[in-house]
Amino acid sequence: ETGVTQTPRHLVMGMTNKKSLKCEQHLGHNAMYWYKQSAKKPLELMFVYNFKEQTENNSVPSRFSPECPNSSHLFLHLHTLQPEDSALYLCASSQEGGRAGELFFGEGSRLTVL
Amino acid sequence: AQSVTQPDIHITVSEGASLELRCNYSYGATPYLFWYVQSPGQGLQLLLKYFSGDTLVQGIKGFEAEFKRSQSSFNLRKPSVHWSDAAEYFCAVGVSNDYKLSFGAGTTVTVRA
Repeated sequence: ETGVTQTPRHLVMGMTNKKSLKCEQHLGHNAMYWYKQSAKKPLELMFVYNFKEQTENNSVPSRFSPECPNSSHLFLHLHTLQPEDSALYLCASSQEGGRAGELFFGEGSRLTVL
Repeated sequence: AQSVTQPDIHITVSEGASLELRCNYSYGATPYLFWYVQSPGQGLQLLLKYFSGDTLVQGIKGFEAEFKRSQSSFNLRKPSVHWSDAAEYFCAVGVSNDYKLSFGAGTTVTVRA
C-alpha cells in the first residue's frame, strides 16, 4: 500500500482537452514533486512544492500548470498538450524539501495525448 | 551539477544467479546515493541509500550496494535473484543542500527461469 496516491492511473486526451492529474500523500511530508518519466530517459523533475510554495519550475511549458492547495495535495492541470507529452507522470513526496532525502513515489498517471 | 550514468540498459539473469547493476556518478563532493526499483505499472520504491559512514549499504529485498569514492561508483548487488526481481532499477544522486535528485536512465532486469 502506497502512502502517495495518484489519480487517474490512465488518461487519454486530445490535444484540445483540459484535464487534471491529482496526487495525495498521507505521510505528513512537507515537500511534493511532479516528475515526468519517458521511455529510456532519466526521470525529469518538473515542479517542486515545499510547504505549499513552489520552489522549482524546471523550464516546464506553460501547458502544464501545477497547483498545491495544501501540503497533502498536488495537482497538475493539463491543457493543449502535444503528443510528445505522452508519458508516465509521477508524483512524489519527501519529509523536507531543503535537502536530498528519500522520495516516496505514487504509482503514476499514464498519459496518452492523441 | 551532479549526474548519473547507468551503463547497462538491459540485463538478463537466471533465477538464482547473482546480479550486479552498475552506477557511476559525477559530483565533486561526497554525494547522497540512492537505488530505486520500479516494477511494471508501479511507482518507484527505495531499495537503499547512502549518506555517510559504512560504504557497504544493506537494503530491502536482499539487495546491497557499495560506495567506491575512487571509482565514483555505487553498484547494486544481489547474491541470488528471484523471479520477482524482474523490474527496472534506477540509481539517483543528490547533494546535502539541494532537494533535487538526478536519476539515471535505468536498467531493466529480466529474470529467466
